[in-house]
Amino acid sequence: EVQLLESGGDLVQPGGSLRLSCAASGFTFNNYAMSWVRQTPGQGLEWVSAISGSGATTYYADSVRGRFTISRDNSKNTLFLQMNSLRAEDTAQYYCTRDRGSINKNPHDFWGQGTLVTVSS
Amino acid sequence: ENVLTQSPGTLSLSPGEGATLSCRASQSVGSTYLAWYQQKPGQAPRLLIYSTSNRATGIPDRFSGGGSGTDFTLTISRLEPEDFAVYYCQHYDNSRTFGQGTKVEIK
Repeated sequence: EVQLLESGGDLVQPGGSLRLSCAASGFTFNNYAMSWVRQTPGQGLEWVSAISGSGATTYYADSVRGRFTISRDNSKNTLFLQMNSLRAEDTAQYYCTRDRGSINKNPHDFWGQGTLVTVSS
Repeated sequence: ENVLTQSPGTLSLSPGEGATLSCRASQSVGSTYLAWYQQKPGQAPRLLIYSTSNRATGIPDRFSGGGSGTDFTLTISRLEPEDFAVYYCQHYDNSRTFGQGTKVEIK
């Protein structure tokens, strides 16, 4: 059974940093690209970032490029999102997702339950 | 940015009725790169349809997708009680954007 368990969400001040983690199990982790997708309270969904199965290639939404860094440790089946220079508009539930393939351009076929990031003074 | 606009915003229907949800893109989308998700309150989204018309694993055949170019649809042939939820379309080409969602509520 595919399982994705996010952690690291917290209350942080504007300009601060946070690192999210996602522990994956139930599938061959390095065979799949992974993504982070966020959802603001009561609002819709926004794709944030993706990384290829090997970790060699990364992709970012314009809204986070230069501030967020996605990475993965395939030896530990773990996905990360380093978030710097956080803004109020980054407040959201952050979901770790498995992409339906090893490279970009695939839908999200499994989702974690999410971790909440709140940016506020 | 390819903007996806879903309509209607809310669909009020009774169990057993059929539902047709629309997703219109501001630029043409390759049929390989269009998906639909279902989200229930307090839950993460779930992949229903990918590549416009392919059902994801475990999705019942009352869900079907179609369309091409800039106009896509999700059809639910007969609504079951568990189908009342919010539905999102997404294109996952070079950039990935979601529509704003259609809520299917019980009439």
